Amino acid sequence: DGGITQSPKYLFRKEGQNVTLSCEQNLNHDAMYWYRQDPGQGLRLIYYSQIVNDFQKGDIAEGYSVSREKKESFPLTVTSAQKNPTAFYLCASTYQGLNTEAFFGQGTRLTVV
Amino acid sequence: QQPVQSPQAVILREGEDAVINCSSSKALYSVHWYRQKHGEAPVFLMILLKGGEQKGHEKISASFNEKKQQSSLYLTASQLSYSGTYFCGTAFRMDSSYKLIFGSGTRLLVRP
Repeated sequence: DGGITQSPKYLFRKEGQNVTLSCEQNLNHDAMYWYRQDPGQGLRLIYYSQIVNDFQKGDIAEGYSVSREKKESFPLTVTSAQKNPTAFYLCASTYQGLNTEAFFGQGTRLTVV
Repeated sequence: QQPVQSPQAVILREGEDAVINCSSSKALYSVHWYRQKHGEAPVFLMILLKGGEQKGHEKISASFNEKKQQSSLYLTASQLSYSGTYFCGTAFRMDSSYKLIFGSGTRLLVRP
């Protein structure tokens, strides 16, 4: 079955560490997105990518980095520069265009310890 | 730049109706609606593609007023399963990319 998979489901990070969240899709979608979700703040866009080897900053990109070396994969690294990384992270993918449904992964809950 | 949703939260009795509104300061070309259960992935409900269009999904329907840059989601005869957080989203073309952003969400609780 086609879908979008995020791993791990739960992740704990020590202060000063970088961590990488995985997002893989087998839907043959061109576009992939990363969102951060905090209580009461909805889904805020971190980075997005339409094609391999190209990506754009979203509204809250500071302290994060991404890569898009393969169409199926869009990993997100939360760097030590991100001062408040504890949140629920969601990855999504769509076909190209304005009018296509987004499919979401099950999310990764990141906690700083 | 995020779409603005109202109300922030709604509590209903089973069988009651609700309306959730979404407005944008930027021109809307399409509006997406999703529902998210706690700790789970958002699930697609519908997309509205042009002004004035209404679409339906069981007892959930939506309208899109392109001129007013607004969309509304209508939940009729609510069921317990309708509980969750509802998000509206909108896609913008930015150079050669498409940016998909969401509102802050409306929490809906349906009680027996």
